[in-house]
Parts: sequence; structure tokens; C-alpha cells
Amino acid sequence: DSGVTQTPKHLITATGQRVTLRCSPRSGDLSVYWYQQSLDQGLQFLIQYYNGEERAKGNILERFSAQQFPDLHSELNLSSLELGDSALYFCASSVDSATYNEQFFGPGTRLTVL
Amino acid sequence: GNSVTQMEGPVTLSEEAFLTINCTYTATGYPSLFWYVQYPGEGLQLLLKATKADDKGSNKGFEATYRKETTSFHLEKGSVQVSDSAVYFCARGNFNKFYFGSGTKLNVKP
Repeated sequence: DSGVTQTPKHLITATGQRVTLRCSPRSGDLSVYWYQQSLDQGLQFLIQYYNGEERAKGNILERFSAQQFPDLHSELNLSSLELGDSALYFCASSVDSATYNEQFFGPGTRLTVL
Repeated sequence: GNSVTQMEGPVTLSEEAFLTINCTYTATGYPSLFWYVQYPGEGLQLLLKATKADDKGSNKGFEATYRKETTSFHLEKGSVQVSDSAVYFCARGNFNKFYFGSGTKLNVKP
């Protein structure tokens, strides 16, 4: 158990809909990262937050947004969903924003868009 | 560009065989390099890391050396066990961005 929790575990929805994925980092960790894992694209870095502020952006679509709240939990919002958004979404956390830090991954949320 | 390339799997080995999984990267600057492992149904876990050239990361019998001259970070283990069966990801990070290889599935047979 990494100490990172993600909810829900599974999510099934339809094209055009909007969903919110939630992540609680390990106790004491200030950075949260979001990743998308799909069969065709592999594991892709989406975005990083540190202590409530966006720190780095990867291959995140404009239809996706994220935020980190004062209690350090984070939410990833996916809107206007397409079939290709079906994937496993991981959240990870680390103690601070340094690139060399170990990231602790949650168990993931599996999103299926029908 | 910035990318990580690792050998395609699956790799199937017998128990106690020698393991090498190749990983090369392209990057500007001096990235940190990582190997993560993903067991079935779980999230990724850090296996080892190296933060500067010639550093050797090691953990649980696995090793990888940061080779700047060849831009490589190959993963090795002298004697694999059935419990090492998993998917292994090479990754690099710099300027707060992270890039993962496509993953190499390792199957170890008794």
C-alpha cells in the first residue's frame, strides 16, 4: 500500500459526459502528479501540482483540467469525453517538487467511455 | 525531442537466469533516471533511481547505471525469481516533467 488513495476505482460513462477523479496523496506529500495509461499511448504524464499550484504540464488535453485543494487532495476533471479517453488514470505523490524524488502511485481509476 | 525507449517485451526467462532490459533516453540537460515496476493490478512502484552521470541505482538485486555518454540506463539482475514477473518501466524526469518508456513485461518461469 503506497498510501495514495484514488476514487472511484472504476468509472463507466458515455461519450460527451464529464467525470471527476479524486486523489489523496500520502500524508505529508505536497506534490501530486496525474498520469494516463492506455494501451496505445503507454504511460503519459499529464500534470503536476505542488502545494496547490500547477507546477508542470505534460500531454494534457484542453478538455482535461485539474486542481489541488488546500488539504492537498487533487481532482482531475475530464469533460466532453471521447472513446479514446478510456484508460487507467494514475495519481502519484511525492514529498516535494524536486524531479529526483520518488513518486508513490495510487492504484488507479479505470475509466471506460462507451 | 524528449523520449524514453526501452526494449519491447515480453521477455520470458527461466528462474535464476540473467536479466537485461535496455533503456535509452533523449533529453536536454541532466535528467534523473528511474526504473519503476508494476505488478498485476497495482500501481507503479519505484525500483531504483540515479540522479547524475555514473551513478548506480540498486535495489532487490536489480542494478542500473546512468551512462551519459551512451544516454542509457539499462536494468540488470543476475538471477531472476518468479516473483520478479511484472512490467518494468524506464523513466526520466527533468524540469518537473516525466517521460516513461512503453514498459517491458517480464515473465519468469520456474
